[in-house]
Amino acid sequence: RKEVEQDPGPFNVPEGATVAFNCTYSNSASQSFFWYRQDCRKEPKLLMSVYSSGNEDGRFTAQLNRASQYISLLIRDSKLSDSATYLCDPMIYNQGGKLIFGQGTELSVKP
Amino acid sequence: NAGVMQNPRHLVRRRGQEARLRCSPMKGHSHVYWYRQLPEEGLKFMVYLQKENIIDESGMPKERFSAEFPKEGPSILRIQQVVRGDSAAYFCASSAGGDTQYFGPGTRLTVL
Repeated sequence: RKEVEQDPGPFNVPEGATVAFNCTYSNSASQSFFWYRQDCRKEPKLLMSVYSSGNEDGRFTAQLNRASQYISLLIRDSKLSDSATYLCDPMIYNQGGKLIFGQGTELSVKP
Repeated sequence: NAGVMQNPRHLVRRRGQEARLRCSPMKGHSHVYWYRQLPEEGLKFMVYLQKENIIDESGMPKERFSAEFPKEGPSILRIQQVVRGDSAAYFCASSAGGDTQYFGPGTRLTVL
């Protein structure tokens, strides 16, 4: 089983739609969770950090289910500028904090 | 406060040459991470360094690759005798020792 698995995508949605991505992780020792976005294979940019059960920031909501070992990202009222690849990341502190990225889920928001 | 800086942004090398990639962490950050993204693949961890120490190099290829983070100056990722399969984007990230990592713009290496 891969350490991190994400919805393969691509997701093609119209502007204004609500879209959700899922990410499962295999290592139950994971302590912090991050969602990054990557545009056109440029550098990843931090979108959200998740430490407890979830986090919300404007149109973006991340939820964590430790028992089932998955995290999700919900985007409401999608904008054209949300088009990107979304990377899920669990981190384990005693491994030095290295990020183990999933393959990413590609989102394309259409007018 | 400048972000993570990497140079060069683009590097072209012929097979057999050496590639040196540099990374200057954000001001106040003493932890540096290198990641590689091969074409059509996800980002993979390579190495984690603190000043003058390699903490975790579990993602580094066994041969030809080395990294350092000297007391003064940037972190260097060195690839000796490059091959076409080394062509990739190499990203550096830094942190202050907490969990949040900030990425540099990357170096795109092309091996001819």
